[in-house]
Amino acid sequence: GAVVSQHPSRVICKSGTSVKIECRSLDFQATTMFWYRQFPKKSLMLMATSNEGSKATYEQGVEKDKFLINHASLTLSTLTVTSAHPEDSSFYICSARRREREKLFFGSGTQLSVL
Amino acid sequence: RKEVEQDPGPFNVPEGATVAFNCTYSNSASQSFFWYRQDCRKEPKLLMSVYSSGNEDGRFTAQLNRASQYISLLIRDSKLSDSATYLCVVNSLDTGRRALTFGSGTRLQVQP
Repeated sequence: GAVVSQHPSRVICKSGTSVKIECRSLDFQATTMFWYRQFPKKSLMLMATSNEGSKATYEQGVEKDKFLINHASLTLSTLTVTSAHPEDSSFYICSARRREREKLFFGSGTQLSVL
Repeated sequence: RKEVEQDPGPFNVPEGATVAFNCTYSNSASQSFFWYRQDCRKEPKLLMSVYSSGNEDGRFTAQLNRASQYISLLIRDSKLSDSATYLCVVNSLDTGRRALTFGSGTRLQVQP
């Protein structure tokens, strides 16, 4: 089955630093990737939709300058949390799909802790 | 009104019980429907797709009612391992904006 690899699985950083999270589709070309965050005991919140070769579409309330998304190839999307602060601490998950109306495949998530 | 609505629960049921979750969606252009299962602090995993004719996978039955715009998931003979959050996911044709919409999830707790 399709596999999405997300890295790193856990990161602890100091306030003010930037953190990059990678999401790779290992055995298929993902035309669209999605980035979510999840606070404890809450459901997933879609942050942005990333289409290969174009700018990401951000959900309302998500700062595009804070959460930089790059989808440079059909198999890789990155999320960079710039100048991270403790309130950015969360569980970030990516997902990818090959084509419209197809199933999503999820990465294993990244637990970000900002001290 | 939310695009996809689910009862947040939690549903607390004894082992062996039958439990049903409903999910309503507002976009009539929605094309694909899925149920995902999410365990605490893990990524959601696809449980099953939902087809117009209804579909069954073991103890799980999913149904779609397009006229009323709702989806259901029925779990029979609940097991302790069924305890999780169940997410309803709807895929619409609006490619210019968000195409996938997640429900907020329904928590299920199966008790011994």
